[in-house]
Amino acid sequence: DTAVSQTPKYLVTQMGNDKSIKCEQNLGHDTMYWYKQDSKKFLKIMFSYNNKELIINETVPNRFSPKSPDKAHLNLHINSLELGDSAVYFCASSTVNTGELFFGEGSRLTVL
Amino acid sequence: EDQVTQSPEALRLQEGESSSLNCSYTVSGLRGLFWYRQDPGKGPEFLFTLYSAGEEKEKERLKATLTKKESFLHITAPKPEDSATYLCAPEGDTGRRALTFGSGTRLQVQP
Repeated sequence: DTAVSQTPKYLVTQMGNDKSIKCEQNLGHDTMYWYKQDSKKFLKIMFSYNNKELIINETVPNRFSPKSPDKAHLNLHINSLELGDSAVYFCASSTVNTGELFFGEGSRLTVL
Repeated sequence: EDQVTQSPEALRLQEGESSSLNCSYTVSGLRGLFWYRQDPGKGPEFLFTLYSAGEEKEKERLKATLTKKESFLHITAPKPEDSATYLCAPEGDTGRRALTFGSGTRLQVQP
């Protein structure tokens, strides 16, 4: 039973399109994150939600809009995709106390 | 701003050849130093958290140590299954839970 699952695993799309990535965790954690890993393998935080409330919003274009319908789900919608958005996007969750992150397997986005 | 540098970028070892990976960091008020392992095509997997200088933690062939400016991941008698990218992430006392990850050390252990 997967702890943090995200779908789809792969997305290939054209510039200008809109796409969404979904994430669900069954660990009972109260905090969820989106991280972006670029081609150089740097892993950078984009957003963090605690109990459905946005608590971290790094310098990310407003074309990226996270939504948390409940504390077990965190989705990422991206409008008007650009070539530079190509990356692997990881969802993660944690308890606010430990900070230990549990990651999903990633969603590889390729923008052509 | 939190900064972290990992070295070497890549390391190739023979099975059984011990070595160490380095993580140099600068944070304001270290809350914890995290080590993760990432296999190709997978998300990072948590290994250790170190909280204060002098602390050590072990897991199988891995031992993580911490000073005020660096953390080391010592790998003793590695096996091919230890091949992965190892990421470190210091967390500063900023009042929010967010990790700044290093770019990782890509370890390859040859049989």
